[in-house]
Amino acid sequence: GNSVTQMEGPVTLSEEAFLTINCTYTATGYPSLFWYVQYPGEGLQLLLKATKADDKGSNKGFEATYRKETTSFHLEKGSVQVSDSAVYFCALSGPARDNYGQNFVFGPGTRLSVLP
Amino acid sequence: DVKVTQSSRYLVKRTGEKVFLECVQDMDHENMFWYRQDPGLGLRLIYFSYDVKMKEKGDIPEGYSVSREKKERFSLILESASTNQTSMYLCASSFMTGVVGAFFGQGTRLTVV
Repeated sequence: GNSVTQMEGPVTLSEEAFLTINCTYTATGYPSLFWYVQYPGEGLQLLLKATKADDKGSNKGFEATYRKETTSFHLEKGSVQVSDSAVYFCALSGPARDNYGQNFVFGPGTRLSVLP
Repeated sequence: DVKVTQSSRYLVKRTGEKVFLECVQDMDHENMFWYRQDPGLGLRLIYFSYDVKMKEKGDIPEGYSVSREKKERFSLILESASTNQTSMYLCASSFMTGVVGAFFGQGTRLTVV
């Protein structure tokens, strides 16, 4: 079945540091790939997405490139801020079991703390 | 903006009570999902629905049921709440193809005492 693996946290960085959170996936066919962010006590917010190989998703300074050859979708940001402190989830969408509808599979989440 | 609204942010219920968690979306999405989120366990899919009156079991359906009588509303039902169902519950919705992603509600923190 489909699965998503992402680096375990927590990740602690100083403000303005470079961020990479690794994500790899296993899927049949051609899934769409996503990064979500969750702030304390809130639901998940879609951060960026990519729907086919070599697509680059970007939003709020975050970027991720859909790499089919390495089955990866690593999240990067050149200069993090304290306000980026949150939990980040990598996810994919693909056919549900028995092909009824689409389903989303999430990684375990990576907690990021950015210190001033 | 897509809006997915869950009926309560915080809920406290007693063991054995029947609990209803409601979720409404305003984007005419075909798919709707219920997840629970627990520390160290990530998001786990309870049930999902790809059409009105249709439902499919997710990874942890035991102790739960769902109802989807209208396209915009997806209800999660705890038939007889137990303390191990204390958790954060997240509702989400998406278009049938899932290409643009799933959109989440703000979550309901349920405590069963």
